[in-house]
Amino acid sequence: DAGITQSPRHKVTETGTPVTLRCHQTENHRYMYWYRQDPGHGLRLIHYSYGVKDTDKGEVSDGYSVSRSKTEDFLLTLESATSSQTSVYFCAISEFMGLREQFFGPGTRLTVL
Amino acid sequence: GENVEQHPSTLSVQEGDSAVIKCTYSDSASNYFPWYKQELGKGPQLIIDIRSNVGEKKDQRIAVTLNKTAKHFSLHITETQPEDSAVYFCAARGLTGGGNKLTFGTGTQLKVEL
Repeated sequence: DAGITQSPRHKVTETGTPVTLRCHQTENHRYMYWYRQDPGHGLRLIHYSYGVKDTDKGEVSDGYSVSRSKTEDFLLTLESATSSQTSVYFCAISEFMGLREQFFGPGTRLTVL
Repeated sequence: GENVEQHPSTLSVQEGDSAVIKCTYSDSASNYFPWYKQELGKGPQLIIDIRSNVGEKKDQRIAVTLNKTAKHFSLHITETQPEDSAVYFCAARGLTGGGNKLTFGTGTQLKVEL
């Protein structure tokens, strides 16, 4: 299995609080991604990174920000969590963008009350 | 951007039968089509992928076919086994509209019954 860990694995928080999810990789892959998974929607890209300090938006980026200060870490922040952000969040990595496999982490289940 | 539709949303087969999952995509410039399997409580794992210059690819009991003219691709699993039970996602890499990212289908819950 690709060396990807996500923390925390489970989190319950209240509306309006900030939340940060962490993705850590040991593969030294250049590209990192954050997805959310919801019933009926599959996996939707939130943000991705193509290098240290280089990030871009995905299709559902509103309400989320990211940061990547080191190759191995990609942080996803919900500035002020809302109930609509209750979801399972997956981090993924890839050596190249496009015609290459993305390896997924184990996921973080976030519940916003 | 790319739009991917996946059918059926649920599929139940008897052990030993074949299973077929179909996806259509909208971006005619899409050139990479992976399939992922997700077991309960885990992240998705790639099981097979195909590039736009190939019409079919096989790996043991799994095969993927691509019809670029019709813009659809399918996953075929033969001789299904209970361990094939999982959620399967198709995806497409679009190039137009700021693409170069994977767009996923909504998933198919496959259940293989004994």
